[in-house]
Amino acid sequence: GQQVMQIPQYQHVQEGEDFTTYCNSSTTLSNIQWYKQRPGGHPVFLIQLVKSGEVKKQKRLTFQFGEAKKNSSLHITATQTTDVGTYFCAGGSASNTGKLIFGQGTTLQVKP
Amino acid sequence: EAGVVQSPRYKIIEKKQPVAFWCNPISGHNTLYWYRQNLGQGPELLIRYENEEAVDDSQLPKDRFSAERLKGVDSTLKIQPAELGDSAVYLCASSFLGGPGNTIYFGEGSWLTVV
Repeated sequence: GQQVMQIPQYQHVQEGEDFTTYCNSSTTLSNIQWYKQRPGGHPVFLIQLVKSGEVKKQKRLTFQFGEAKKNSSLHITATQTTDVGTYFCAGGSASNTGKLIFGQGTTLQVKP
Repeated sequence: EAGVVQSPRYKIIEKKQPVAFWCNPISGHNTLYWYRQNLGQGPELLIRYENEEAVDDSQLPKDRFSAERLKGVDSTLKIQPAELGDSAVYLCASSFLGGPGNTIYFGEGSWLTVV
């Protein structure tokens, strides 16, 4: 079945450093969504990418969707302590409208 | 606007006991999901409803798990009997399928510990 993999699983950075997490799907996706989960909290929607090669920015966060619609990345510039949490990508199945498969997440720790 | 509401927030039960979780989705959302999240893992879909119909329950362990969504609004997820491995966070989520990209809104989760 469809699988979504994320790397790395954990990342520790010094405040001010950049951070990137990568997401790869075993199948072509209809869309990719990114969620952030703070410790003890629930996943919160960040953004959705739909088009091949799409790039979107939210302040210090840059999201990319690969040309083949099978991979994506999230890049944070100049991390802050408020960026701490686990970032999940979730791939929308091209063959099953409405089904989202979540990656296992990348947990970001930021040292002040 | 109220978000997805779940109860109870926390539950500790002994193995072999039953447990039930309740979810009230965002008003107007016709799609409801139950996910299970183990520590350090991403959410895993258990069941997805479109209105009253369960359209994807392929990952629901049907020998002990059951779910219902009467009248296409609230939903309950039941485990009977619970096993130690069922300890996890059970997340309910809802979306308006047909809206922009099927964005999923999660509730705060029901944290289950089976001892």
